[in-house]
Amino acid sequence: AQSVSQHNHHVILSEAASLELGCNYSYGGTVNLFWYVQYPGQHLQLLLKYFSGDPLVKGIKGFEAEFIKSKFSFNLRKPSVQWSDTAEYFCAVIPDNNAGNMLTFGGGTRLMVKP
Amino acid sequence: EPEVTQTPSHQVTQMGQEVILRCVPISNHLYFYWYRQILGQKVEFLVSFYNNEISEKSEIFDDQFSVERPDGSNFTLKIRSTKLEDSAMYFCASGEIKNIQYFGAGTRLSVL
Repeated sequence: AQSVSQHNHHVILSEAASLELGCNYSYGGTVNLFWYVQYPGQHLQLLLKYFSGDPLVKGIKGFEAEFIKSKFSFNLRKPSVQWSDTAEYFCAVIPDNNAGNMLTFGGGTRLMVKP
Repeated sequence: EPEVTQTPSHQVTQMGQEVILRCVPISNHLYFYWYRQILGQKVEFLVSFYNNEISEKSEIFDDQFSVERPDGSNFTLKIRSTKLEDSAMYFCASGEIKNIQYFGAGTRLSVL
C-alpha cells in the first residue's frame, strides 16, 4: 500500500522567508499528487495538483511544487511567505490505477509565520 | 464559491449509540467521500461513492459503517454502534471529476 511522509511536523518562519516543505511517497507506479492547506478553523483546501506533464506545478497564493520522480518527492515551495500562510499543509497521493480515488495523506506540517 | 457543508459541527454521543453525520456535497458533483482524522493522527480514507454505490472502502469501514445518498443532495455516514475509538474528525468530500476532491469543514465526533 502507498504511504506519504512529511518530515517536517512544525515549521516556524518569519515573514518574507522562503518556504520548502518536504513530501515523499512510496508507490512504484504512476501517481497523482496533491497539496492541501487547512487554515485555522477552516476546511481542507486544494492548493495544487500534479497529474502529468510539466513537473513544476503552480498553485494558488503563490505556491508551487516540483515532482521529482526519481526521488519520489513532491515538495511544496513559496519564495516569500506571509503571516496569512499560517496553516497546516498536507501532501496526498492517489495511485493512477486506484478505482476509488482514495487519497492517502501525509501527517501534515504546521507552519507558523511570525509577523 | 460553492462549498461542501457538514452538519453538525460537533456531535457528542454515548458509546453504543447510532450516529448519522450529514454532508451536502457541491451540487453538480458525482463523486463522494468520507475521511476521518483521529486526534494527532493522519487523515484516513473511509469510503468513496459513485453512481449510487460504494467504489472503494478501507479496512476501517467495517459493518458498523454505512453510507447513503438518500435524496440526491445529502450524503450521510452512519455509525451503528459507536465505540470510544470512533472519536475523530470526520470529513466529507465531493468531486465533479475523478481525483479532484473538495472537502467540508468536518464534524467532530466525541464518543463518551
